[in-house]
Amino acid sequence: DVVMTQSPLSLPVTLGQPASISCRSSQSLVHSDGNTYLYWFQQRPGQSPRRLIYKVSNRESGVPDRFSGSGSGTDFTLNITRVEAEDIGVYYCMQGTHWPPATFGQGTKVEI
Amino acid sequence: EVQLLESGGGLVQPGGSLRLSCAASGLTFSSYAMSWARQAPGKGLEWVSSITGNGDRTYYADAVKGRFTISRDNSKNTLFLQMNSLRAEDTALYYCAKTTGLDYWGQGTLVTVSS
Repeated sequence: DVVMTQSPLSLPVTLGQPASISCRSSQSLVHSDGNTYLYWFQQRPGQSPRRLIYKVSNRESGVPDRFSGSGSGTDFTLNITRVEAEDIGVYYCMQGTHWPPATFGQGTKVEI
Repeated sequence: EVQLLESGGGLVQPGGSLRLSCAASGLTFSSYAMSWARQAPGKGLEWVSSITGNGDRTYYADAVKGRFTISRDNSKNTLFLQMNSLRAEDTALYYCAKTTGLDYWGQGTLVTVSS
């Protein structure tokens, strides 16, 4: 199975400042169809996960443009340009290229 | 608006069984694969199982293979997870999610396996 490794696991942030989360996979996530099935999820305290980003860099409808995803191969990043209070929570990356199984990173807790 | 509502969780003894349901609305249910994922208390996310739109193919995590069965009733827009031979390590909040890319999630139903 593909192992997804996130860093850092805890990210203290300052409101209005940028934040960045890294996600690395144990093997390339480029699928034979040419797509890279790397996703980012946000889980606010007490809530269900919400998908923010699909296929590395595509924002879901309604996701603020301060969130962006980038990367290729085995290295991926979720960036927040200016952290807002509502961004506090745990962020997970997930790969769907070498499926099944889908595999998640350990999660990064973004906190003030 | 896509809505997924799970039910059927509860307290069960080790070795027991539970059947989870997920009622879907706001989508053409039969057009989409559906999945179950879980989150143990204070832990991260784990994919459990998926099923194709017409139900002809199913997929399982190794941790549940042979014990859990995913199914669906497209006439009732409902997804199921039959869980047998439950273990303490199956204790988690179980989420229903749309597609194998998990683009929409329900609120979850809590399963506690304990004597």
